[in-house]
Parts: sequence; structure tokens; C-alpha cells
Amino acid sequence: DAGITQSPRHKVTETGTPVTLRCHQTENHRYMYWYRQDPGHGLRLIHYSYGVKDTDKGEVSDGYSVSRSKTEDFLLTLESATSSQTSVYFCAISETYRGGETQYFGPGTRLLVL
Amino acid sequence: AQTVTQSQPEMSVQEAETVTLSCTYDTSENNYYLFWYKQPPSRQMILVIRQEAYKQQNATENRFSVNFQKAAKSFSLKISDSQLGDTAMYFCAFSPSSGKLIFGQGTTLQVKP
Repeated sequence: DAGITQSPRHKVTETGTPVTLRCHQTENHRYMYWYRQDPGHGLRLIHYSYGVKDTDKGEVSDGYSVSRSKTEDFLLTLESATSSQTSVYFCAISETYRGGETQYFGPGTRLLVL
Repeated sequence: AQTVTQSQPEMSVQEAETVTLSCTYDTSENNYYLFWYKQPPSRQMILVIRQEAYKQQNATENRFSVNFQKAAKSFSLKISDSQLGDTAMYFCAFSPSSGKLIFGQGTTLQVKP
């Protein structure tokens, strides 16, 4: 358990509404990541952060923004949700394990956009 | 482009038997890490095993071991003495020098009693 929580765990929203997902970690990890999981695609990186106020885009960043004002919190925002953003969203942190960086995941947030 | 391919969408194995899940990847980098993650019905992503590309020795974790063939860019997972709790989706993932993870599409494993 890498001390990662995600909120909410489930959310149903309507097309066009803004949505913010929160990832919270308790162990002062520098690197944090947001992924989405869809059938047939595995997990794909949306955005990541390498420190407070330091973020960068991943593979599927269109339609998403992120913010990190504190080490412990990494927020993912869908400015105007679309049905194609229905997915399961995972947050992850990177931790040194046996001399190498390894990512550990939160429990996930299931988002349904109607 | 760096890609990870899992060619077996679904597999099944009898309890107590051995099963091997396949994974291939494509990269031009020399230093990287490879991972297998397990995702049970709870949807939690759980690290199973990790392999450093610079190490020739195959990683093992209890009943889980890998066959890492760097030249062939192959990274298979062997589960020995399969247990009902091993039923899950298994993802192979590749981490280049940037530290990001690139995942395969997953293999659903069913362990039958």
C-alpha cells in the first residue's frame, strides 16, 4: 500500500459538465501520474507531475488538465466532459523499489459521462 | 514508437498447473524496466514482478518468474502452482528512461478448480 487514495471512487455526470478527480498521497512522493483504462487499450498516460506546479502531458492529454499545488494532491480536471471520457481513471506514484523506480497505483475512479 | 504487445487476450489454467503469459515490446533504448501488474476483479493494480534490462538474471517472486529475452524483446510471465486467487487480468508494462509506463492490452487469466 503506497498510501494513495482517489476521490470520488464513482461518479456519474452529464456531457458538458466539468469534473475534477482527486489523487491524494501521504508519503511525499515527487512523481505522480494519471492514467485512464479502457477495454482493449490497457492503461494510457494522461498527464504526470514531477513536482509542485510541474506537470507535463502524456499520450492522451486532449480534453484534460491537471494541477498540483501541494505535494500530496494531484488533480485531474475534465473541463467539459464528453462520453468518450467515460473510463476508469487511475492515479499512480513512483517509488524507488530495490534500486529502481516503480509505479504503484491508487484504487481507481469509475467515471460515467451520460 | 515504443509499444507493448500481449498477443493472448484470454487464457485459462487448471489449479496447481503452470501457465505462461507472453509479452513483446519494441524500443530502441538499452536501459529500461519491465513489469507485470495484476488486476483482479477489484480493479486494483498490483505489482507482480519487475525486471531491469541490464540484468541478465530473470526475476522471481515466489510462484512468479519471468523469462526475459532482451535480444528478442520478449518478457513472459510464468505462474507456477496456479491458485484460484491468481484469476485476474495481467498487464505487461515497459518503462523507458523517461520513467513513464507503457502498457500492453492485457491478458485475462482464468484459474479453474
